[in-house]
Amino acid sequence: DIVMTQSPVSLPVTPGEPASISCRSSQSLLYSNDNYLDWYLQKPGQSPQLLIYLGSNRAPGVPDRFSGSASGTDFTLKISRVEPEDVGVYYCLQVFQNPFTFGQGTRLEIK
Amino acid sequence: QVQLLESGPRLLKPSETLSLTCIVSGDSLDDYFWTWIRQPAGKGLEWLGRIYSSGASYYNPSFGGRVSMSLDMSKNHFSLQMTSVTPTDTAVYYCARTPGMHVRGRWLGPWGQGILVTVSS
Repeated sequence: DIVMTQSPVSLPVTPGEPASISCRSSQSLLYSNDNYLDWYLQKPGQSPQLLIYLGSNRAPGVPDRFSGSASGTDFTLKISRVEPEDVGVYYCLQVFQNPFTFGQGTRLEIK
Repeated sequence: QVQLLESGPRLLKPSETLSLTCIVSGDSLDDYFWTWIRQPAGKGLEWLGRIYSSGASYYNPSFGGRVSMSLDMSKNHFSLQMTSVTPTDTAVYYCARTPGMHVRGRWLGPWGQGILVTVSS
């Protein structure tokens, strides 16, 4: 199975400041120029919601302060200016190979 | 807009079979993968497997063959079965839609609200 290593575990952020979450895969997720890596946010008490698909594509309705990037097997989710409604647990998910595997999650909290 | 809703027994005894259904409204099952994910309390997400609208399926081998899925096109729902449950199978179970064969990407969305299933004697 592909192992997804996500960091940090916890991320305290001041509103208005940027935030960055990393995810590293144990093998390449690249297929036909697309990285098969998604990002999800699980807000408190809710189901996870899709933020980013194919490494860098924002899902419909996701604010443009969220962005995803890739460099080899390293993936990054960036929030340009954190807002209070961004609190929750962020997960990366590789959808390149069965079984799909999630990162361990990063809990973003407001300072 | 498409919506998913999980249903099924919420309390099971060890060794019983977990059976959940995900009712899909707002779209048909055609040309999509339909996925199950679970989340033990306070823990991360675990992908259980998926079934395509043709009936073809893939199950996470980490469940040792205990997981199976089916779908009913006439009722527009799909189902999860997990045999021989133990207390470690206690979790919130989610269903989700995944794009089909002719789409780039295999993201999960939308998701159902989740259903807590407790396994206890």
